[in-house]
Amino acid sequence: GIQVEQSPPDLILQEGANSTLRCNFSDSVNNLQWFHQNPWGQLINLFYIPSGTKQNGRLSATTVATERYSLLYISSSQTTDSGVYFCAVEGGNTGFQKLVFGTGTRLLVSP
Amino acid sequence: GAVVSQHPSRVICKSGTSVKIECRSLDFQATTMFWYRQFPKQSLMLMATSNEGSKATYEQGVEKDKFLINHASLTLSTLTVTSAHPEDSSFYICSAELLTFSYNSPLHFGNGTRLTVT
Repeated sequence: GIQVEQSPPDLILQEGANSTLRCNFSDSVNNLQWFHQNPWGQLINLFYIPSGTKQNGRLSATTVATERYSLLYISSSQTTDSGVYFCAVEGGNTGFQKLVFGTGTRLLVSP
Repeated sequence: GAVVSQHPSRVICKSGTSVKIECRSLDFQATTMFWYRQFPKQSLMLMATSNEGSKATYEQGVEKDKFLINHASLTLSTLTVTSAHPEDSSFYICSAELLTFSYNSPLHFGNGTRLTVT
């Protein structure tokens, strides 16, 4: 099946810093989503981005489908950005939105 | 936007008992729902795909007799952990696919259920 690797696995930032999280996937995808999992376990949908670039406030994401990677940019980080960031992809011809989650990046933003 | 409700959010049960977790799509119909499991500090792993009116499809290594899934309507899927043991303690989370989904629509997730088996 499709493999999804994220880097870095852990990241510590000072408040106000910028960061880039990367997601590599092993095959072509129909669907790619970025999620933020907060300390209570809730998955917050950040972006639906199988290709192209999107921006939402301090966050933006770019997926280069032909090269099989996606990037999530966080600018001017805040302590509330702490948590785990997952990318998840759906590939193949399952006929469903059967997402495979990446390994995650654990982010800690300190004041 | 589309809302998926999961209940309970937290449950503690004794070893050997069964626990039922509900996943509801509140404002849309979902022919397909997915159940994931997440162990501490790990990623989410798909357990099974639940289809309304038919049997669930389980991922390799997931015991179908232990994790019973019922998807009786277009808005409700249930996961029952039977004869729970401490190793079943985990975070279980569901997601729902819109009836009229296209590849332009994101998947929606419930808030998860934290199961602790003592």
